[in-house]
Amino acid sequence: AIRMTQSPSSLSASTGDRVTITCRASQGISSYLAWYQQKPGKAPKLLIYAASTLQSGVPSRFSGSGSGTDFTLTISCLQSEDFATYYCQQYYSYPPTFGQGTKLEIK
Amino acid sequence: QVQLQESGPGLVKPSQTLSLTCTVSGGSISSGGYYWSWIRQHPGKGLEWIGYIYYSGSTYYNPSLKSRVTISVDTSKNQFSLKLSSVTAADTAVYYCARSLSYSSSSSLFYWGQGTLVTVSS
Repeated sequence: AIRMTQSPSSLSASTGDRVTITCRASQGISSYLAWYQQKPGKAPKLLIYAASTLQSGVPSRFSGSGSGTDFTLTISCLQSEDFATYYCQQYYSYPPTFGQGTKLEIK
Repeated sequence: QVQLQESGPGLVKPSQTLSLTCTVSGGSISSGGYYWSWIRQHPGKGLEWIGYIYYSGSTYYNPSLKSRVTISVDTSKNQFSLKLSSVTAADTAVYYCARSLSYSSSSSLFYWGQGTLVTVSS
């Protein structure tokens, strides 16, 4: 199985900050990468698919980039509702696998 | 708007079989095209994909769980189900059902159920 490694595991930031989360795949996955946001007690929410395509309805302050093995999720101007845990997921090969998550906390 | 809802026992005894059902509303499983998955999340941990089923009944399971997993579909009820046999405490998790974003087995997951906590304990 392809291993997905996110960094950092946790991140403290303030409203208005720009933050970047990285995700590295143990082998090339082209652009078969998604990003999810999860809040406590809730299901994950799809933010970005195909590495850089914003899911409909997701604010434009979220963006994704990368291909191959290295990917990033950027939130350009943090809002209070963005504090959550973020997961990357590869769907290039089976089984689909997720990163361990990045918890974004208020500083 | 497609909605998914998991249901089943919240407590299962060790060595028994965990059984969950996902009821789909707002869309028909039998209309085809989409892949219907089960994912779990151990308490305070990350996400683990369990397997998927296509409306035709074809399945794919995570090799790490393959020997214990069965996913089935009942198109007449617009439901799909998960059975996990010989459970242990390590199977305690929140279990989610989800639907693929696109008509492809290589797809992200768009619609999710709210999740159901299953505890394995005697």
